[in-house]
Amino acid sequence: GAGVSQSPSNKVTEKGKDVELRCDPISGHTALYWYRQSLGQGLEFLIYFQGNSAPDKSGLPSDRFSAERTGGSVSTLTIQRTQQEDSAVYLCASSLQLGRGLHGYTFGSGTRLTVV
Amino acid sequence: GESVGLHLPTLSVQEGDNSIINCAYSNSASDYFIWYKQESGKGPQFIIDIRSNMDKRQGQRVTVLLNKTVKHLSLQIAATQPGDSAVYFCAENRAAGNKLTFGGGTRVLVKP
Repeated sequence: GAGVSQSPSNKVTEKGKDVELRCDPISGHTALYWYRQSLGQGLEFLIYFQGNSAPDKSGLPSDRFSAERTGGSVSTLTIQRTQQEDSAVYLCASSLQLGRGLHGYTFGSGTRLTVV
Repeated sequence: GESVGLHLPTLSVQEGDNSIINCAYSNSASDYFIWYKQESGKGPQFIIDIRSNMDKRQGQRVTVLLNKTVKHLSLQIAATQPGDSAVYFCAENRAAGNKLTFGGGTRVLVKP
């Protein structure tokens, strides 16, 4: 597609429920990243994928968080047993190549997750 | 830069004036830097980047300055416009690293 697409744009869930957030990167972008942005704060790295290499999961805050990327394209971020502190905007980005990719990343508009 | 929690530093600037946004980075091994602009309800958008072999780079109405000695990065916006109102983030890529690390952000408010 023309840009990075994320769905849903907003999600309200009850504490303890599982949620899945979806990211469609730009076609041809081999690297895909997930970041979390809490209210009024900066971007916290969660995980990235590059081609068929093992993902870098070093930013995932707990084992309730997981992500996968199928076919080198679409990615899903799953949060199990959601807690109120998981409330944030979850941003996905893609780039042509890891790290030093041309002009950095292209971000989606994010999914705003609210846990009540 | 580090997160500043719920209270982003805010820069109020009169329309037409120049703006300067500052960012301190922590890792001397970082060799690639980017400024992003984030408007309300949107994801961050690329503004300008600079590599560590440069100390200045200019774009359209924007200039990035890099001082490696004190690990400081700044973004200058000339003739600030209402559409420049947003949160601005600096990001660094550490040499041979694989991801960007973001600073805490600065909110710019343009007064008409």
